[in-house]
Amino acid sequence: EPEVTQTPSHQVTQMGQEVILRCVPISNHLYFYWYRQILGQKVEFLVSFYNNEISEKSEIFDDQFSVERPDGSNFTLKIRSTKLEDSAMYFCASRRDNEKLFFGSGTQLSVL
Amino acid sequence: KNQVEQSPQSLIILEGKNCTLQCNYTVSPFSNLRWYKQDTGRGPVSLTIMTFSENTKSNGRYTATLDADTKQSSLHITASQLSDSASYICVVSPNNAGNMLTFGGGTRLMVKP
Repeated sequence: EPEVTQTPSHQVTQMGQEVILRCVPISNHLYFYWYRQILGQKVEFLVSFYNNEISEKSEIFDDQFSVERPDGSNFTLKIRSTKLEDSAMYFCASRRDNEKLFFGSGTQLSVL
Repeated sequence: KNQVEQSPQSLIILEGKNCTLQCNYTVSPFSNLRWYKQDTGRGPVSLTIMTFSENTKSNGRYTATLDADTKQSSLHITASQLSDSASYICVVSPNNAGNMLTFGGGTRLMVKP
């Protein structure tokens, strides 16, 4: 079965540093998403991306966050100046129209 | 406020036994309800998706039911295996857009030999 691939699997960074989380969605998918899950809490929506632009974002997705699809295959989430509370598992997901959502295995981000 | 509540929070069963997980939701409007399996440290994997008109859907040993009138769903696991140990998450959407998904907190299932 096709997979959404995320790298790295673990990222440790110092507070205030920039991080880029990378995702390769399934090749024929059209809709792309970032979610996060703080340890022990529910999965939360961050942002959705369609047709090369953000279609919706949550309150969590403030000016410190940005997304890009630079080359037609990768889908990245950038956090400009990380905070301790950004520590979480970040999941990328993708889907084709009206089909099930496929999640990647996640990137565990630890901000020290 | 849209909410999805799951019970129990955690469950321990013996290998080979059956179990049923519950999900209640207040999401409105309602488009579909999904059950995901999430292994520790991994992303959620879709088990079933049910729309308003579907009452039951099976995927191997997993059977999901939906009562859209009472806004309840259940996931029944038959003849449990050790590999069923995971969190099972109920997710409700008012439409097909992944951004509108409301996630439950999950039921953590442990299957013991």
